[in-house]
Amino acid sequence: AQSVTQLDSQVPVFEEAPVELRCNYSSSVSVYLFWYVQYPNQGLQLLLKYLSGSTLVKGINGFEAEFNKSQTSFHLRKPSVHISDTAEYFCAVSRKDSNYQLIWGAGTKLIIKP
Amino acid sequence: DTGVSQDPRHKITKRGQNVTFRCDPISEHNRLYWYRQTLGQGPEFLTYFQNEAQLEKSRLLSDRFSAERPKGSFSTLEIQRTEQGDSAMYLCASSALGRTGVYNEQFFGPGTRLTVL
Repeated sequence: AQSVTQLDSQVPVFEEAPVELRCNYSSSVSVYLFWYVQYPNQGLQLLLKYLSGSTLVKGINGFEAEFNKSQTSFHLRKPSVHISDTAEYFCAVSRKDSNYQLIWGAGTKLIIKP
Repeated sequence: DTGVSQDPRHKITKRGQNVTFRCDPISEHNRLYWYRQTLGQGPEFLTYFQNEAQLEKSRLLSDRFSAERPKGSFSTLEIQRTEQGDSAMYLCASSALGRTGVYNEQFFGPGTRLTVL
C-alpha cells in the first residue's frame, strides 16, 4: 500500500520570501508523484508532476519540486511567494499501473503574511 | 467551459434521506474517478470507471453508496440513508486513457459539498 505524509499542516511565510512544503511517501512499488493546489472555493489544479527522467520538475506559477528516491521525498519549493499563492497544497502519489488512482496527503495550508 | 462540472455544488439534507450527485467529465475522457474529502484531510479514492464499466471500488464505499456511468459519459453517485459521517466534499475527476503505462492527468471538478444534519 502507498501512503503520503505532509509534515506541516500550515506554513506561514512573508510575501516575497522563499517557501518549502514537505512531502514524504512510502510505497513498495514505483509511483508517480504530484502536487496539486486548491484555492478557496475552487477545485484541485495540478501544479506539477514527476513521471520519470530529471528529478527536478518545474510547474506552473513558479513552483518546482525535487524527487529524492533515497529519502522518498518530493518537496515543493518557490523562491519568492506572492499573496496570490495563498491556498492549500496537496501532495499525491499514483501507482504505475492501469488505474492511476491518487493517494493523497492531508494537505498544507500556505499562509502568506504581508 | 469544457472542464469537469458537478451538480449540485452544495447539498444539505437530513439524516436518513437519499442524495444523488452528478458529474459531467471532459468530453471524450473515458476514465472517471470519484473521491471524498473531509475537513482537514486530503481526498480519498472511492471508485473509478473506464467508459461505463466500474472497475474498482474502495472499501470506503459502503453498501449505501452506489455509482453509475450508464453511457460512458456523465456519472452519478447516490448515497442512501445518509448519516452525519457522510458529510464531506465529493470530488469527481476525469482523464483520457492513454497507452498502457502512460499516465494521463486527472482533471478535477469543483466538488459537491454535502452536509447531513
